Amino acid sequence: AQSVAQPEDQVNVAEGNPLTVKCTYSVSGNPYLFWYVQYPNRGLQFLLKYITGDNLVKGSYGFEAEFNKSQTSFHLKKPSALVSDSALYFCAVRDKVYGQNFVFGPGTRLSVLP
Amino acid sequence: GAVVSQHPSRVICKSGTSVKIECRSLDFQATTMFWYRQFPKQSLMLMATSNEGSKATYEQGVEKDKFLINHASLTLSTLTVTSAHPEDSSFYICSAIRKRGSPDTQYFGPGTRLTVL
Repeated sequence: AQSVAQPEDQVNVAEGNPLTVKCTYSVSGNPYLFWYVQYPNRGLQFLLKYITGDNLVKGSYGFEAEFNKSQTSFHLKKPSALVSDSALYFCAVRDKVYGQNFVFGPGTRLSVLP
Repeated sequence: GAVVSQHPSRVICKSGTSVKIECRSLDFQATTMFWYRQFPKQSLMLMATSNEGSKATYEQGVEKDKFLINHASLTLSTLTVTSAHPEDSSFYICSAIRKRGSPDTQYFGPGTRLTVL
């Protein structure tokens, strides 16, 4: 069975500082991994994905994430946070072979303080 | 590109009535559409997966007779909440996978907030 954990409900960071939003996963086979962002009363916006290849994936709005197979993690990072990055972030996983559907983590609320 | 719309964005209805929510892929054909439900401060819960021209596949615990899904074309899927009750109040989000494109990227609609009085 697939599962995703986001250990932090809330992350606070000062504007201009680097940010990290953590994600760990569990799948039977090899994973497809995704990050989405949700603004209030809006649907999810795709940020980035890892399918194969380079473990460091670059995405929209300056975000990046690093796939770490040994730690089964896919943490989202940004070198310099903006107040406008404040939102709800979801990590999602899909098993390449055994899973058809996406499983979402519980979400992490990021607050960037001016 | 890859825009998904939902209509209505917000609906309030009386208990016992039915509500239909539309999900449209505006600039692409969608082989598969997903319907999710999101409770306040919680993650998305997959309700069902629908493929054009075939019956939807419902997740365990989701009543298919209560949440009717129709995927009539490659650009439209509808979710009808039948005989709605207050506990059906939630944020419903659809997503779509492009027919020509990566099968691993879902494009999400903006969501529909349903309030049942």
